[in-house]
Amino acid sequence: KAGVTQTPRYLIKTRGQQVTLSCSPISGHRSVSWYQQTPGQGLQFLFEYFSETQRNKGNFPGRFSGRQFSNSRSEMNVSTLELGDSALYLCASSWETGPGTEAFFGQGTRLTVV
Amino acid sequence: QQQVKQSPQSLIVQKGGISIINCAYENTAFDYFPWYQQFPGKGPALLIAIRPDVSEKKEGRFTISFNKSAKQFSLHIMDSQPGDSATYFCAASTSGTYKYIFGTGTRLKVLA
Repeated sequence: KAGVTQTPRYLIKTRGQQVTLSCSPISGHRSVSWYQQTPGQGLQFLFEYFSETQRNKGNFPGRFSGRQFSNSRSEMNVSTLELGDSALYLCASSWETGPGTEAFFGQGTRLTVV
Repeated sequence: QQQVKQSPQSLIVQKGGISIINCAYENTAFDYFPWYQQFPGKGPALLIAIRPDVSEKKEGRFTISFNKSAKQFSLHIMDSQPGDSATYFCAASTSGTYKYIFGTGTRLKVLA
């Protein structure tokens, strides 16, 4: 069974540009959540989607947005990139939203903003 | 109130020793506490998780101890091996969501 797939693995963008990251969850999983990981701030929750609906959003500016498609695949978009957006962006998928069901993480997309 | 405090920041243990990592939380609504292991260049992988209705859970060499009244939980790695060298994160969430609040991580190094 394939794991969570994130594309691309590495990305270099210039300040002011926008970027779209993609996440394909494990087959059958309907919940997708996104996290930003940086050395200074650690792992921070961005947003969570279930059946194409955003269920939770973290404390990030409106430049960060996401969506989920009917096949559960998800994308996140960052507009007007800033140097501080350089981070590892992680996607996690889960079977359902029941208590105690685990979240499986992908390997992440390493975004560098120059 | 949403924070999860993790300690120590780094830990060095001899092969065969016990590694202990501690976490504390404030939000009593949290009811799911997973531990994740992350190797460089990889995403976090779930090690073990616990809910507040039990005080201890063991899976192989990994044990979670949970103290509901103190709002603390810890990860014990018995017979630590060099292959356990990684960064460990505790997390907390409430039922029905995957909005995890992560601790700041502990970098474990097990000496051969």
